[in-house]
Amino acid sequence: QVTLRESGPALVKPTQTLTLTCTFSGFSLSTRGICVSWIRQPPGKALEWLARIDWDDAKYFSTSLMTRLTISKDTAKNQVVLTLTNVDAVDTATYYCSRETTVALDFWGQGTLVTVSS
Amino acid sequence: DIQMTQSPSSLSASVGDRVTITCRASQSISSYLNWYQHKPGTAPKLLIYVASSLQSGVPSRFSGSGSGTDFTLTISSLQPEDFATYYCQQSFSTPRTFGQGTKLEIK
Repeated sequence: QVTLRESGPALVKPTQTLTLTCTFSGFSLSTRGICVSWIRQPPGKALEWLARIDWDDAKYFSTSLMTRLTISKDTAKNQVVLTLTNVDAVDTATYYCSRETTVALDFWGQGTLVTVSS
Repeated sequence: DIQMTQSPSSLSASVGDRVTITCRASQSISSYLNWYQHKPGTAPKLLIYVASSLQSGVPSRFSGSGSGTDFTLTISSLQPEDFATYYCQQSFSTPRTFGQGTKLEIK
Protein backbone atom coordinates (compact mmCIF):
# COMPACT_ATOMS: atom_id res chain seq x y z
CA GLN A 1 0.00 0.00 0.00
CA VAL A 2 1.12 3.56 -0.65
CA THR A 3 2.36 5.56 2.32
CA LEU A 4 4.26 8.82 2.67
CA ARG A 5 5.79 10.35 5.79
CA GLU A 6 7.30 13.77 6.28
CA SER A 7 10.16 14.37 8.68
CA GLY A 8 12.21 17.36 9.71
CA PRO A 9 12.72 19.89 12.48
CA ALA A 10 9.72 21.17 14.39
CA LEU A 11 11.43 24.49 15.11
CA VAL A 12 13.66 26.57 12.86
CA LYS A 13 15.17 29.98 13.51
CA PRO A 14 14.61 32.91 11.14
CA THR A 15 17.14 33.11 8.28
CA GLN A 16 18.01 29.41 8.62
CA THR A 17 17.46 26.76 5.98
CA LEU A 18 14.63 24.28 6.45
CA THR A 19 15.24 20.74 5.22
CA LEU A 20 12.33 18.30 5.01
CA THR A 21 12.39 14.67 3.95
CA CYS A 22 9.53 12.69 2.48
CA THR A 23 9.98 8.94 2.87
CA PHE A 24 7.56 6.85 0.88
CA SER A 25 6.68 3.24 0.17
CA GLY A 26 4.38 1.35 -2.13
CA PHE A 27 5.59 3.01 -5.32
CA SER A 28 8.79 3.92 -7.12
CA LEU A 29 9.82 7.37 -8.21
CA SER A 30 11.58 5.79 -11.17
CA THR A 31 8.25 4.68 -12.65
CA ARG A 32 7.10 6.77 -15.59
CA GLY A 33 4.32 9.16 -14.66
CA ILE A 34 5.03 9.19 -10.91
CA CYS A 35 5.82 12.48 -9.17
CA VAL A 36 6.13 13.70 -5.59
CA SER A 37 4.93 17.15 -4.57
CA TRP A 38 5.23 19.29 -1.47
CA ILE A 39 2.31 21.37 -0.21
CA ARG A 40 2.02 23.49 2.93
CA GLN A 41 -0.74 24.99 5.02
CA PRO A 42 -0.02 27.94 7.30
CA PRO A 43 -2.22 27.98 10.42
CA GLY A 44 -5.74 29.02 9.52
CA LYS A 45 -4.91 29.44 5.83
CA ALA A 46 -5.32 27.53 2.59
CA LEU A 47 -3.21 24.81 1.03
CA GLU A 48 -0.27 26.15 -0.96
CA TRP A 49 1.54 24.04 -3.57
CA LEU A 50 5.32 24.38 -3.30
CA ALA A 51 7.25 22.07 -5.60
CA ARG A 52 7.27 18.81 -7.52
CA ILE A 53 9.87 16.34 -8.72
CA ASP A 54 9.09 13.85 -11.45
CA TRP A 55 10.25 10.32 -12.28
CA ASP A 56 12.58 11.77 -14.94
CA ASP A 57 14.05 14.32 -12.45
CA ALA A 58 12.11 17.25 -13.91
CA LYS A 59 11.49 19.85 -11.22
CA TYR A 60 8.80 22.51 -10.82
CA PHE A 61 8.42 25.26 -8.24
CA SER A 62 5.98 27.78 -6.87
CA THR A 63 6.53 31.06 -8.70
CA SER A 64 6.67 33.06 -5.47
CA LEU A 65 9.13 30.71 -3.74
CA MET A 66 11.26 29.39 -6.55
CA THR A 67 14.34 31.37 -5.59
CA ARG A 68 14.32 29.78 -2.11
CA LEU A 69 13.33 26.18 -2.87
CA THR A 70 15.24 23.15 -4.00
CA ILE A 71 13.95 19.61 -4.42
CA SER A 72 15.80 16.37 -4.97
CA LYS A 73 15.18 12.65 -4.92
CA ASP A 74 16.99 9.51 -3.85
CA THR A 75 15.25 6.77 -5.76
CA ALA A 76 17.11 3.97 -4.00
CA LYS A 77 16.07 5.26 -0.58
CA ASN A 78 12.54 6.18 -1.68
CA GLN A 79 13.02 9.72 -0.43
CA VAL A 80 12.40 13.25 -1.65
CA VAL A 81 14.08 16.19 0.06
CA LEU A 82 12.81 19.76 0.03
CA THR A 83 14.89 22.70 1.23
CA LEU A 84 13.64 26.21 1.87
CA THR A 85 16.27 28.85 2.49
CA ASN A 86 16.13 32.04 4.56
CA VAL A 87 12.96 31.09 6.45
CA ASP A 88 10.74 33.65 8.14
CA ALA A 89 7.72 33.51 10.46
CA VAL A 90 5.43 33.40 7.41
CA ASP A 91 6.92 30.00 6.57
CA THR A 92 5.38 28.53 9.72
CA ALA A 93 3.08 25.82 8.42
CA THR A 94 2.21 22.17 8.24
CA TYR A 95 4.19 20.73 5.36
CA TYR A 96 2.81 17.77 3.41
CA CYS A 97 4.29 15.56 0.74
CA SER A 98 2.05 13.82 -1.74
CA ARG A 99 2.24 11.44 -4.68
CA GLU A 100 0.99 12.80 -7.98
CA THR A 101 0.05 10.41 -10.76
CA THR A 102 -0.98 11.84 -14.11
CA VAL A 103 -3.23 14.59 -12.84
CA ALA A 104 -4.02 14.41 -9.12
CA LEU A 105 -2.45 14.19 -5.67
CA ASP A 106 -3.79 10.80 -4.73
CA PHE A 107 -1.88 9.91 -1.57
CA TRP A 108 -0.70 12.31 1.12
CA GLY A 109 1.45 12.12 4.22
CA GLN A 110 0.06 13.20 7.58
CA GLY A 111 2.10 16.39 7.52
CA THR A 112 4.73 17.89 9.78
CA LEU A 113 4.33 21.18 11.60
CA VAL A 114 7.26 23.54 11.27
CA THR A 115 7.44 26.67 13.40
CA VAL A 116 9.82 29.50 12.53
CA SER A 117 10.76 31.40 15.65
CA SER A 118 13.82 32.70 17.41
CA ASP B 1 0.05 31.22 -12.71
CA ILE B 2 -3.55 30.05 -12.93
CA GLN B 3 -5.68 31.52 -10.16
CA MET B 4 -8.42 29.37 -8.63
CA THR B 5 -11.37 31.04 -6.90
CA GLN B 6 -13.86 29.11 -4.80
CA SER B 7 -17.25 30.19 -3.58
CA PRO B 8 -18.55 30.39 -1.02
CA SER B 9 -15.65 30.67 1.42
CA SER B 10 -17.84 29.14 4.12
CA LEU B 11 -21.16 27.41 4.20
CA SER B 12 -23.52 26.25 6.93
CA ALA B 13 -25.71 23.27 6.17
CA SER B 14 -27.61 20.46 7.87
CA VAL B 15 -27.29 16.70 7.67
CA GLY B 16 -29.25 15.55 4.64
CA ASP B 17 -28.87 18.82 2.72
CA ARG B 18 -27.67 19.02 -0.87
CA VAL B 19 -24.62 21.26 -1.11
CA THR B 20 -22.82 22.76 -4.08
CA ILE B 21 -19.39 24.43 -4.06
CA THR B 22 -18.08 26.23 -7.10
CA CYS B 23 -14.56 26.79 -8.38
CA ARG B 24 -13.51 29.13 -11.17
CA ALA B 25 -10.18 29.16 -12.98
CA SER B 26 -8.57 32.33 -14.32
CA GLN B 27 -8.14 30.63 -17.71
CA SER B 28 -9.38 27.48 -19.34
CA ILE B 29 -8.04 24.32 -17.71
CA SER B 30 -10.06 21.85 -19.79
CA SER B 31 -11.13 19.19 -17.27
CA TYR B 32 -7.93 19.25 -15.19
CA LEU B 33 -9.64 20.05 -11.93
CA ASN B 34 -9.46 18.07 -8.70
CA TRP B 35 -11.36 18.31 -5.42
CA TYR B 36 -9.95 17.49 -1.97
CA GLN B 37 -11.50 17.18 1.48
CA HIS B 38 -9.44 18.29 4.46
CA LYS B 39 -10.19 17.80 8.13
CA PRO B 40 -8.02 19.35 10.88
CA GLY B 41 -5.06 17.22 11.88
CA THR B 42 -5.44 14.80 8.99
CA ALA B 43 -4.06 14.44 5.48
CA PRO B 44 -6.11 15.98 2.66
CA LYS B 45 -8.11 13.39 0.76
CA LEU B 46 -8.66 13.26 -2.99
CA LEU B 47 -12.38 13.10 -3.78
CA ILE B 48 -12.75 13.91 -7.47
CA TYR B 49 -10.16 14.06 -10.25
CA VAL B 50 -10.35 15.44 -13.78
CA ALA B 51 -13.52 17.27 -12.88
CA SER B 52 -15.91 14.35 -12.57
CA SER B 53 -14.11 11.07 -11.84
CA LEU B 54 -14.77 9.69 -8.38
CA GLN B 55 -11.65 8.53 -6.56
CA SER B 56 -11.76 4.92 -5.42
CA GLY B 57 -13.43 4.50 -2.05
CA VAL B 58 -15.17 7.89 -2.09
CA PRO B 59 -18.94 7.70 -1.48
CA SER B 60 -21.18 8.25 -4.48
CA ARG B 61 -22.92 11.21 -2.82
CA PHE B 62 -19.92 13.23 -3.98
CA SER B 63 -19.94 14.33 -7.60
CA GLY B 64 -18.13 16.85 -9.74
CA SER B 65 -18.88 18.61 -12.99
CA GLY B 66 -17.64 21.34 -15.28
CA SER B 67 -15.00 22.11 -17.86
CA GLY B 68 -13.11 25.10 -19.13
CA THR B 69 -13.18 27.63 -16.29
CA ASP B 70 -16.23 26.72 -14.18
CA PHE B 71 -16.58 23.68 -11.96
CA THR B 72 -18.80 22.41 -9.19
CA LEU B 73 -18.58 19.89 -6.37
CA THR B 74 -21.91 18.56 -5.17
CA ILE B 75 -22.67 16.54 -2.07
CA SER B 76 -26.12 15.07 -2.60
CA SER B 77 -27.03 14.34 1.01
CA LEU B 78 -24.69 15.65 3.69
CA GLN B 79 -23.48 13.20 6.29
CA PRO B 80 -21.92 14.12 9.65
CA GLU B 81 -18.46 13.07 8.44
CA ASP B 82 -18.64 15.50 5.48
CA PHE B 83 -18.14 18.62 7.58
CA ALA B 84 -14.67 19.72 6.54
CA THR B 85 -12.87 22.17 4.29
CA TYR B 86 -12.94 21.51 0.55
CA TYR B 87 -10.32 22.65 -1.94
CA CYS B 88 -10.21 22.69 -5.70
CA GLN B 89 -6.86 22.38 -7.48
CA GLN B 90 -5.90 22.70 -11.12
CA SER B 91 -3.58 20.16 -12.72
CA PHE B 92 -3.59 21.73 -16.19
CA SER B 93 -0.18 23.32 -15.75
CA THR B 94 2.63 23.91 -13.29
CA PRO B 95 2.83 25.51 -10.88
CA ARG B 96 -0.20 23.71 -9.53
CA THR B 97 -2.59 25.99 -7.66
CA PHE B 98 -5.35 25.52 -5.11
CA GLY B 99 -8.47 27.49 -4.41
CA GLN B 100 -8.73 29.27 -1.08
CA GLY B 101 -10.99 26.59 0.37
CA THR B 102 -14.64 26.29 1.38
CA LYS B 103 -15.32 25.51 5.02
CA LEU B 104 -18.48 23.44 5.40
CA GLU B 105 -19.96 23.79 8.87
CA ILE B 106 -22.90 22.29 10.68
CA LYS B 107 -25.96 24.52 10.87
